[in-house]
Amino acid sequence: EVQLVESGGGLIQPGRSLRLSCAASGFTFEDYAMHWVRQVPGKGLEWVSSLSGDSGRLDYAESVKGRFSISRDNAKNSLYLQMNNLRPEDTALYYCARPRSNSPYDKNFLYWGQGTLVTVSS
Amino acid sequence: DIQMTQSPSFLSASVGDRVTITCRASQTITGYLNWYLQKPGKAPKLLIHDASGLQSGVPSRFSGGGSGTDYSLTISSLQPEDFATYFCQHSHGNPPTFGQGTRLEIK
Repeated sequence: EVQLVESGGGLIQPGRSLRLSCAASGFTFEDYAMHWVRQVPGKGLEWVSSLSGDSGRLDYAESVKGRFSISRDNAKNSLYLQMNNLRPEDTALYYCARPRSNSPYDKNFLYWGQGTLVTVSS
Repeated sequence: DIQMTQSPSFLSASVGDRVTITCRASQTITGYLNWYLQKPGKAPKLLIHDASGLQSGVPSRFSGGGSGTDYSLTISSLQPEDFATYFCQHSHGNPPTFGQGTRLEIK
């Protein structure tokens, strides 16, 4: 059974940094690109970042480019999101998500974690 | 970025009704369109991939269609568990963007 478990969220002041983690199990982690998607509670969904299985290709939403950094450790079956210079508008529930297939171009998000809440406020 | 516009934003219907939600992209997305259902406090669930592909395990009362810029999700006979929020999302390059959501409530 595929499982994704996010952690690392919390209340953080503007300008500070936070690192989110996503622990994956139930599939061959290194074969899949992984994504971060966020959602302001009660609002819409916003794709944040993606990273290929071999870490060779990464992409970011314009809203986080230059502040967030995605990485992974395939030996630990883990995905990370380093978030620097956080802003109040980064407040959201952050999900890690896995696509349906191991194609690097697949953005059909079949598996999701339960999310970890990041609140940026002074 | 490709903008995704869903309609309606809110829909009130009864059990057994047939409902259709539409999604329009700001440019052609050549069938790279997914539909998700989300219930309060839960992660989104993939229902339809690539415009009309029914995800394994999803009931056949859900169907998707469309091409170019215009797509639809139809639920043929609403069941109590279908009352939720629905999102469309394109997967035609980066960034993948979502519609604003359609909240389906019981009449």
